[in-house]
Amino acid sequence: EAGVAQSPRYKIIEKRQSVAFWCNPISGHATLYWYQQILGQGPKLLIQFQNNGVVDDSQLPKDRFSAERLKGVDSTLKIQPAKLEDSAVYLCASRGGREQYFGPGTRLTVT
Amino acid sequence: AQSVTQLGSHVSVSEGALVLLRCNYSSSVPPYLFWYVQYPNQGLQLLLKYTSAATLVKGINGFEAEFKKSETSFHLTKPSAHMSDAAEYFCAVSVTGTGFQKLVFGTGTRLLVSP
Repeated sequence: EAGVAQSPRYKIIEKRQSVAFWCNPISGHATLYWYQQILGQGPKLLIQFQNNGVVDDSQLPKDRFSAERLKGVDSTLKIQPAKLEDSAVYLCASRGGREQYFGPGTRLTVT
Repeated sequence: AQSVTQLGSHVSVSEGALVLLRCNYSSSVPPYLFWYVQYPNQGLQLLLKYTSAATLVKGINGFEAEFKKSETSFHLTKPSAHMSDAAEYFCAVSVTGTGFQKLVFGTGTRLLVSP
């Protein structure tokens, strides 16, 4: 069974630029998550989707971050404009039962 | 609010020594607890989970954890460390609400294994 796929794996941008990340969850998983992991910290939930609807986006900085999950499968997370403090690893996960399965992440560096 | 606290940002052991990584939880309801491992430049991999069945949970790679309600702890152990165990380990608690379920992670413990 294929795991959670994410791209790109690495991205370097300048502040005030925009960036987008893509995630393809495990086939059949209705629930998809985006987490932000800042260096030296545990992952922090940004947004949760159930199929193509948002369940929880209370921790998403909506002035600059947006996410969508069209057709209830793939998802994209966008940052516009990026700030220095957005440098982090962005992890996508999908849920089967009570377990969450994580992708390899996208490491974003904002200079 | 449900949360977990991991004591010790770094733990160093020698190869073959006992590994003990500490996690304490805070929850007003019976918690679902998880341990994940993260190798450099990789995502998180589930080691084991506690879902209110047996209090001693066995996971992959020889790791196990014991749920102790009286101590609000869920410490991760392995009898004999291998070099390949060097990684970051995260304890997490599942938080469930109306229509949502998410993981709240601790700050992580980096395990260093020396020859």
